[in-house]
Amino acid sequence: DQQVKQNSPSLSVQEGRISILNCDYTNSMFDYFLWYKKYPAEGPTFLISISSIKDKNEDGRFTVFLNKSAKHLSLHIVPSQPGDSAVYFCAASGNQFYFGTGTSLTVIP
Amino acid sequence: DTGVSQNPRHKITKRGQNVTFRCDPISEHNRLYWYRQTLGQGPEFLTYFQNEAQLEKSRLLSDRFSAERPKGSFSTLEIQRTEQGDSAMYLCASSGPGGATGELFFGEGSRLTVL
Repeated sequence: DQQVKQNSPSLSVQEGRISILNCDYTNSMFDYFLWYKKYPAEGPTFLISISSIKDKNEDGRFTVFLNKSAKHLSLHIVPSQPGDSAVYFCAASGNQFYFGTGTSLTVIP
Repeated sequence: DTGVSQNPRHKITKRGQNVTFRCDPISEHNRLYWYRQTLGQGPEFLTYFQNEAQLEKSRLLSDRFSAERPKGSFSTLEIQRTEQGDSAMYLCASSGPGGATGELFFGEGSRLTVL
């Protein structure tokens, strides 16, 4: 029973362009949504979060958008850099954290 | 404080043996989580502690799995009579004051291979 879904397993973008990673969820009771970034052989690291009462949060090159009616959130990275190449996990929190299956982003120099 | 520490980083064992993983969270964090991650999947929740109390366990945590956090600091995850299906990365994470709301700090994980 996957409560958080990332339907795109991989994404490739050119350096300098925008990367858009998508995530869908099923439980309207989630109160926070988060994005984590993971490099090989490392644990996930926190990137950015958004409260369920907001629709946008921005931190430098990273912006997360939340559409509660569609139960959808997205992460925008602009401009994309080669160092952004990693697996990105979407997560939602209530009493515990539920993670999506990840999207592998490759930024091509 | 260097963050969440897990050991061993890698463990290879034969089917039927017991294994134990240890997690040392960030010292001021009161919540500690265990997750399991297999190839191509996101982290799957196993259990979490608030201080020394184990507040929730996933149905993924069969009776062969047990987790403890005896003094509200480090935690151990033991798997008894390991099976090949237990092969995975076991991730520990902690949370508490000082981070962004909802932020989990993950360790580097303990990779288990059951032969």
